[in-house]
Amino acid sequence: GIQVEQSPPDLILQEGANSTLRCNFSDSVNNLQWFHQNPWGQLINLFYIPSGTKQNGRLSATTVATERYSLLYISSSQTTDSGVYFCAEFSGVTTDSWGKLQFGAGTQVVVTP
Amino acid sequence: EAQVTQNPRYLITVTGKKLTVTCSQNMNHEYMSWYRQDPGLGLRQIYYSMNVEVTDKGDVPEGYKVSRKEKRNFPLILESPSPNQTSLYFCASSLIQGQGFPGANVLTFGAGSRLTVL
Repeated sequence: GIQVEQSPPDLILQEGANSTLRCNFSDSVNNLQWFHQNPWGQLINLFYIPSGTKQNGRLSATTVATERYSLLYISSSQTTDSGVYFCAEFSGVTTDSWGKLQFGAGTQVVVTP
Repeated sequence: EAQVTQNPRYLITVTGKKLTVTCSQNMNHEYMSWYRQDPGLGLRQIYYSMNVEVTDKGDVPEGYKVSRKEKRNFPLILESPSPNQTSLYFCASSLIQGQGFPGANVLTFGAGSRLTVL
């Protein structure tokens, strides 16, 4: 199946700083999603972004499908941005296993006041 | 309120004692799936279901069973739990677009179930 690599594994930011998280994929990207897991464990979908760029408030994401990577930008970070950010892709889109979802190991973000 | 509900949220059990973690969604979603989260490993898919009576294995199905008898429910069954199944478990659901795969629709996650097997 598809392999998903996230970098960096850990990130410490001072409030107000900007940062970029990256996801690399071993196979074609068709259904990329970004998720945020807050410190209480809740998982929230941030973006569905198989290609192009999307923005949602201080967060934006860009996927370059031809080069098999995606970037998540956090601008003017706030303490509420702390948590773990995951990217995920459905593998087997061209096979019978359409429902298999592969997550990266995540980037742990800590935003300090 | 549209949501995915998991129960129990916390459970401590002993090796070999069968248990079921329930998952229910009220959004009429076709796709449902289970994941386990372990430190340093991210989320790994256990099983998924594309619709009623249609289930398939994810990456780590060993030791687990699922069933999808109704569209809204997708229980995870541990027939004989072992300590290596101690983990945080998440259920998720989404619609399926016409193309036949769920990726184009937003996954909604449950709040998680923390399971400890002694």
